Amino acid sequence: AQSVAQPEDQVNVAEGNPLTVKCTYSVSGNPYLFWYVQYPNRGLQFLLKYITGDNLVKGSYGFEAEFNKSQTSFHLKKPSALVSDSALYFCAVRDGAGGFKTIFGAGTRLFVKA
Amino acid sequence: SQTIHQWPATLVQPVGSPLSLECTVEGTSNPNLYWYRQAAGRGLQLLFYSVGIGQISSEVPQNLSASRPQDRQFILSSKKLLLSDSGFYLCAWSVGGGTYNSPLHFGNGTRLTVT
Repeated sequence: AQSVAQPEDQVNVAEGNPLTVKCTYSVSGNPYLFWYVQYPNRGLQFLLKYITGDNLVKGSYGFEAEFNKSQTSFHLKKPSALVSDSALYFCAVRDGAGGFKTIFGAGTRLFVKA
Repeated sequence: SQTIHQWPATLVQPVGSPLSLECTVEGTSNPNLYWYRQAAGRGLQLLFYSVGIGQISSEVPQNLSASRPQDRQFILSSKKLLLSDSGFYLCAWSVGGGTYNSPLHFGNGTRLTVT
């Protein structure tokens, strides 16, 4: 069975500084990995995905994520944080061996201070 | 372009009453459809998913059920609500037809409060 861990409930960063939101995963087959963002009282919005190929994946709003197979990690990064990036971020995994189930982490709340 | 509609946006129901939440997708055919529940604004719990009409996979045994009467319609139901059914219910779709790498696209959710 697949699982996702987001070890930080909350990440605080100053505007203009780089940010990292951590994610580790467990899956029996090759992982399909996703990051989503959620604003208050809304559904989740897709940011980026890793399926195969280059370990550094670029997505929406300047976000990127680095896939590390040996560490089973898929950390979300952004070189320069904006106040408007403050939101709830979810990492998710799907088993690339053919499953349709997508399992989400518990979420990490990002606060960007001006 | 594809859109997903989920309604109602908010719902307050007494314990023991029935429930019906509806989700429809436009602009795509044969999507995979999903119901998730989010408690206390944090993690998402997968409740049901469907890869085709009448095909429902249940992930969590509970007093909820799901149906897919049409290709792009997904309904979440309960005969008798419990207090523990309160939460934020999210419908989502992904590209179907055996495509495994498509991300999920979410509706805006229904906030259910059982009193």
